[in-house]
Amino acid sequence: QSALTQPASVSGSPGQSITISCTGTSGDVGRYKFVSWYQQHPGKAPKLMIYEVTERPSGVSNRFSGSKSGNTASLTISGLQADDEADYYCCSYAGSSTSIFGGGTKVTVL
Amino acid sequence: EVQLVESGGGVVRPGGSLRLSCAASGFNFDDYGMTWVRQAPGKGLEWVAGINWNGGITGYVDSVKGRFTISRDNVKNSLHLQMNSLRAEDTALYYCVRVGYTYGIPRWFDPWGQGTRVTVSS
Repeated sequence: QSALTQPASVSGSPGQSITISCTGTSGDVGRYKFVSWYQQHPGKAPKLMIYEVTERPSGVSNRFSGSKSGNTASLTISGLQADDEADYYCCSYAGSSTSIFGGGTKVTVL
Repeated sequence: EVQLVESGGGVVRPGGSLRLSCAASGFNFDDYGMTWVRQAPGKGLEWVAGINWNGGITGYVDSVKGRFTISRDNVKNSLHLQMNSLRAEDTALYYCVRVGYTYGIPRWFDPWGQGTRVTVSS
């Protein structure tokens, strides 16, 4: 049960697009479509941004999108805004009624 | 409005026990699974344990198996985490989270409570 692998940090200028990767194994990300992404601002509880790889909950901006290829899932934020500066975590179902998170990625808006 | 309010955190010595609780409101509690996720100070999120709508299916991260027990009371709309044999590495903010399931598999975690802090220290 090792954490999914995410880059420690990603940065971009306002208006740009950035992509955060989340690499797992054939037993989690590669096997299931149940990958989700969470945004966490400092001192706040996490917020669901993407579920089932590509689905966006109501109320979440369409600037956020998800995808998956093989054992790697990705979150793309387009039209980067100051409020997007936060930590982002991926999560995948890992079988046997367990889930696993990524180590987290700090997004900085330059 | 969906609300999840955790309680029961505190300071405990290594080897001690704590029972966390989560009071749920604003939704049909027994229509959803629930889970506990923790976050050590300055660290990332770690999934700890999950339970389906009727308590018939549970899962744990390897590091807490045999020490923690997740349970729920669908009459009182509450979720619990019994934590025994606590270790320093269990020190964290523990979040109670609602889970959307499909065919017994968690699809999403939403919303999250504000967390209850557990500190294991001598």
